[in-house]
Amino acid sequence: GNSVTQMEGPVTLSEEAFLTINCTYTATGYPSLFWYVQYPGEGLQLLLKATKADDKGSNKGFEATYRKETTSFHLEKGSVQVSDSAVYFCALLNQAGTALIFGKGTTLSVSS
Amino acid sequence: GAGVSQSPSNKVTEKGKDVELRCDPISGHTALYWYRQSLGQGLEFLIYFQGNSAPDKSGLPSDRFSAERTGGSVSTLTIQRTQQEDSAVYLCASSPQGPRETQYFGPGTRLLVL
Repeated sequence: GNSVTQMEGPVTLSEEAFLTINCTYTATGYPSLFWYVQYPGEGLQLLLKATKADDKGSNKGFEATYRKETTSFHLEKGSVQVSDSAVYFCALLNQAGTALIFGKGTTLSVSS
Repeated sequence: GAGVSQSPSNKVTEKGKDVELRCDPISGHTALYWYRQSLGQGLEFLIYFQGNSAPDKSGLPSDRFSAERTGGSVSTLTIQRTQQEDSAVYLCASSPQGPRETQYFGPGTRLLVL
């Protein structure tokens, strides 16, 4: 069945450090892939997405590339800010397109 | 414009009671989804509604859980005979026209079963 595995947190970084959060998936075919973010006290927000292999999603300085060879969708940012502190969820869309399958979430804490 | 709204924001109930959680999707969105976010299980899909089609109920964990969507807009998730393991944040999302479109999430209802 479908599943998403992302690195365990928490991830603790200093401001301006490079960020990578690993995400791999298991699915039938080539599902659309997403990163959602949940800031403290707020709801889930779409950060970026990619709908086919080799697509790169990007937003707010974050990037992730859909790699079908490694079934991965790692999230990267070149220089994190304190305001990036949040929980990040990797997800895939099931084959019917009716449900998102989420990873467990990775907590990022950035200090100044 | 207004986003997805959910009510109540918090609900405390006693084991064995029934609860109803409400979701108002973004105006004009035809697809509506319910998810559950709990410490032990992470984020799990519960149910999907699209227009007048039969809902996808494949994620509902037991027959104590049910949901309806009246008039293609507001949805209510009902949990009967609540158990402590039902404690979680229940999230609602909507998307403009259905499958494969971006889902926009509400703030959630935090349910605590004592």
